[in-house]
Amino acid sequence: GEDVEQSLFLSVREGDSSVINCTYTDSSSTYLYWYKQEPGAGLQLLTYIFSNMDMKQDQRLTVLLNKKDKHLSLRIADTQTGDSAIYFCAETTTGNQFYFGTGTSLTVIP
Amino acid sequence: ETGVTQSPTHLIKTRGQQVTLRCSSQSGHNTVSWYQQALGQGPQFIFQYYREEENGRGNFPPRFSGLQFPNYSSELNVNALELDDSALYLCASSLGQVPNSPLHFGNGTRLTVT
Repeated sequence: GEDVEQSLFLSVREGDSSVINCTYTDSSSTYLYWYKQEPGAGLQLLTYIFSNMDMKQDQRLTVLLNKKDKHLSLRIADTQTGDSAIYFCAETTTGNQFYFGTGTSLTVIP
Repeated sequence: ETGVTQSPTHLIKTRGQQVTLRCSSQSGHNTVSWYQQALGQGPQFIFQYYREEENGRGNFPPRFSGLQFPNYSSELNVNALELDDSALYLCASSLGQVPNSPLHFGNGTRLTVT
């Protein structure tokens, strides 16, 4: 089945950029997503990219997709303490089942 | 715009019991998906409902069942609860007729089985 992998932890200083990485195995993925989960809450959609795109920018967020290497990244510019959370990447082919990674816990140090 | 709401927020059950979790979809959304998130893991797909019918199922046994109602709200039922069923259960709604429509999640129901 589909496998989505992420590193478990990332720690950055406030004001620096954060880069969260994700790899996936299914070459027929159509859309790839980034979600944020704060403690005690559900998942909040941050952004998504269609598989025929290389990059998407949305305010402080930049998504890069390397389809050849099946590698997705999320860059958060000027990281703030409010960005501390768990970040999940997810991919889908048919759209009815999303495959999530195990999440990357981002800690922002003031 | 009303977001996805789930009830209850927390629940404690005993092994062998049955549980029903409820979800109201975001206004305008006609598709509901259920996910199980174990501690420290990413969400795992249970099933999806579209037009009141199951529209895809993950690797979960038949004791996990669901319903979708004409107003697009949904229930997740779990029979014969096991200790491993302890998890956060997330409901997500989307637009079924839009390919790969993003999922919009509720805050989940935390189920503890003792």
